[in-house]
Amino acid sequence: GENVEQHPSTLSVQEGDSAVIKCTYSDSASNYFPWYKQELGKGPQLIIDIRSNVGEKKDQRIAVTLNKTAKHFSLHITETQPEDSAVYFCAARDSNDYKLSFGAGTTVTVRA
Amino acid sequence: SAVISQKPSRDICQRGTSLTIQCQVDSQVTMMFWYRQQPGQSLTLIATANQGSEATYESGFVIDKFPISRPNLTFSTLTVSNMSPEDSSIYLCSDRTGPYNEQFFGPGTRLTVL
Repeated sequence: GENVEQHPSTLSVQEGDSAVIKCTYSDSASNYFPWYKQELGKGPQLIIDIRSNVGEKKDQRIAVTLNKTAKHFSLHITETQPEDSAVYFCAARDSNDYKLSFGAGTTVTVRA
Repeated sequence: SAVISQKPSRDICQRGTSLTIQCQVDSQVTMMFWYRQQPGQSLTLIATANQGSEATYESGFVIDKFPISRPNLTFSTLTVSNMSPEDSSIYLCSDRTGPYNEQFFGPGTRLTVL
């Protein structure tokens, strides 16, 4: 089955700086890669996703990049704000399966 | 995206009892899932709730412990049976919907077993 590794497990950044979270996956058939943000006491919220037919996708201050050859994808948050503090999960899904495989999560703390 | 609600939002239960969690989606969805998130951990898929048939369970999860119902395309229940403290977790309902098969999550049910 798919194995998704996520790094780092914790990330502390100064407000205004950028944050980068990296994930690798094992199954070359995976073609869908979503990112979720989970705030304390809430369910995971889909914030951005990317499919294997593109290399990069942006939505305001967040962007995701995908390198299919290396089997890794990354989340970039620019101009971080205190409300970006949360746990972020990456995930992967292949076209032959209906299940998402999740990374272990990254706790992001934005220092004011 | 469809709005997902769960009841109860949290509960504290005694060992040996059972709790049924309800999940309601505000529009018809093809697929519904149940996940467990143990304290400080990632999400683990328990089962896929199939409309009109038995749920499909993942390795390590069995129907006797986690019976699931899905009577229609907008509603599902998960029961945590004969609970022990190890069952203390967040239980999340999820659906897959939309033209791009995105997956969304409910707010979760926070269960504490004493």
